[in-house]
Amino acid sequence: AQSVTQPDIHITVSEGASLELRCNYSYGATPYLFWYVQSPGQGLQLLLKYFSGDTLVQGIKGFEAEFKRSQSSFNLRKPSVHWSDAAEYFCAVGGQKSSGDKLTFGTGTRLAVRP
Amino acid sequence: GAVVSQHPSRVICKSGTSVKIECRSLDFQATTMFWYRQFPKQSLMLMATSNEGSKATYEQGVEKDKFLINHASLTLSTLTVTSAHPEDSSFYICSARTSGLQYFGPGTRLTVL
Repeated sequence: AQSVTQPDIHITVSEGASLELRCNYSYGATPYLFWYVQSPGQGLQLLLKYFSGDTLVQGIKGFEAEFKRSQSSFNLRKPSVHWSDAAEYFCAVGGQKSSGDKLTFGTGTRLAVRP
Repeated sequence: GAVVSQHPSRVICKSGTSVKIECRSLDFQATTMFWYRQFPKQSLMLMATSNEGSKATYEQGVEKDKFLINHASLTLSTLTVTSAHPEDSSFYICSARTSGLQYFGPGTRLTVL
């Protein structure tokens, strides 16, 4: 069974500081991995995805993530956080035919940004 | 591109009534759509997978007679919460799959009084 763990429930960083959100996954084969962002009361927006190839993937809004197979991790990073980045961030695994196209989400990390 | 809409965005209903939520893919066709439920400050839980022209596949623990799903066309799936009760109050989000990715709607906030 596929699963995702986001160890940090809540993170606060100062505007302009760097950010890293952790994500660990469990999947029986090479995973498809995703990071989504959700603003309050809104749906999910895809930040970036990893299917194969280069393990460092670039996304929208200046985000990047690195797939590390040895650590079963897919951590999200941003070098300089903006106040508008305050939101809930979800890591997800799956989306392949072998899993019925299903995505499994982590519990999310709520990001607060200090002025 | 790849825009998904949901209607309504918010709905308040009385206990015992039924509520229909629509999910539309606006600029693409989706043979597969998904329905999720999200409780406050929690993650998304997959309720069911909706396939155009066939019966939906429900996740374990989801009552198919209570959450009726109809995927009548390649751009529309509906979720009907039948005989709603306060414990059904939640944020319902749909997604539509195309080119290997799921695109999410903005969600529907259901409040059952």
